[in-house]
Amino acid sequence: DAGVTQSPTHLIKTRGQHVTLRCSPISGHKSVSWYQQVLGQGPQFIFQYYEKEERGRGNFPDRFSARQFPNYSSELNVNALLLGDSALYLCASSLLRGDSYEQYFGPGTRLTVT
Amino acid sequence: AQTVTQSQPEMSVQEAETVTLSCTYDTSESDYYLFWYKQPPSRQMILVIRQEAYKQQNATENRFSVNFQKAAKSFSLKISDSQLGDAAMYFCAYRRNQGGKLIFGQGTELSVKP
Repeated sequence: DAGVTQSPTHLIKTRGQHVTLRCSPISGHKSVSWYQQVLGQGPQFIFQYYEKEERGRGNFPDRFSARQFPNYSSELNVNALLLGDSALYLCASSLLRGDSYEQYFGPGTRLTVT
Repeated sequence: AQTVTQSQPEMSVQEAETVTLSCTYDTSESDYYLFWYKQPPSRQMILVIRQEAYKQQNATENRFSVNFQKAAKSFSLKISDSQLGDAAMYFCAYRRNQGGKLIFGQGTELSVKP
């Protein structure tokens, strides 16, 4: 089975622009989580979606939004990009929320804001 | 709020030797999970080992084992017979039993010398 996939792999944007990152979970997984990993730091939780509903949100501004589609894939949107948004954005999928099932991570999208 | 601390930014080990990575955490919860993730230069976050807080027995996965001290809120990772492929960033992570988000430490960069 294919693992978690993310697109694009790399992205360069200018301050003030908008970006959309995409994630496809492992087949059968209904929960998707998004994390931001700034260089040299551990990942920080942004959102969790389960069955197309937001089930958790981290301490990020309203410029960050996400959604989950009927096929359980997900998009992360960031508006009015700042230099500080430059990071690796990781998507993780799991079977169910709030249980012992592990989160499986995708390879990430490297976003550079200039 | 839960926190995870990794006090060793960098560690080095000789090939075939044993190394221990440290992690402490803070929580008021009694039921939770702890994880060690490996992130090689390819950026893919890979689950190494998992420990359920209600289990007293330390988890073991081949050459990887943990020393879980619940009262001390300590969760260290021991890598035996280190291999060149073990070189990576290692992240300690915490998850509540009923919550899906992972809380990561700052990471420890492990280098393996031939």
